[in-house]
Amino acid sequence: AQSVTQPDIHITVSEGASLELRCNYSYGATPYLFWYVQSPGQGLQLLLKYLSGDTLVQGIKGFEAEFKRSQSSFNLRKPSVHWSDAAEYFCAVGGGFKTIFGAGTRLFVKA
Amino acid sequence: DTAVSQTPKYLVTQMGNDKSIKCEQNLGHDTMYWYKQDSKKFLKIMFSYNNKELIINETVPNRFSPKSPDKAHLNLHINSLELGDSAVYFCASSQAPSGGNEQFFGPGTRLTVL
Repeated sequence: AQSVTQPDIHITVSEGASLELRCNYSYGATPYLFWYVQSPGQGLQLLLKYLSGDTLVQGIKGFEAEFKRSQSSFNLRKPSVHWSDAAEYFCAVGGGFKTIFGAGTRLFVKA
Repeated sequence: DTAVSQTPKYLVTQMGNDKSIKCEQNLGHDTMYWYKQDSKKFLKIMFSYNNKELIINETVPNRFSPKSPDKAHLNLHINSLELGDSAVYFCASSQAPSGGNEQFFGPGTRLTVL
């Protein structure tokens, strides 16, 4: 069965520090992988996605993610976090007609 | 120009009532979805429609009935509301039903059942 695990419920980083949000998935075939961001009171917005090809994908707002098949992971990174990055981040795996979302990681940014 | 819109944004009602949430997308997408997000932010698919036809129904109680009058609209009607229905409901759309397509989300409807 498809599943997505985001091990960290919340993470706090200092503004300007680097960020890595973890995501592990379970899927029988090569998955489609996504990261979405949800700001307070808003819907989800796509940051980036992996469908095939280059395993390092670039997204909006300076985010990138790396697909590692051997580790079943798709971790999200940003070299320097801004206060406006504080939000909820969702990893998702898609296949067939469905997309399965992880439970989310809440990012807090401290000054 | 809003891509996926939902009304109302907030809905407060009593147990046992019937309510509807409306969703419209102006992206020309063929596929629309309803998700439920609980208090712990867990996002769960409820329904998916492609070209007005139901393709996913994730074991949702039959008190929940989606209606798609055309490709641009997917409304959600809920009968006999229960306390456990309190959540944020998101409508979304994508170009096609394939799991590889990006989904565009509406702003959500926060439903509170008293």
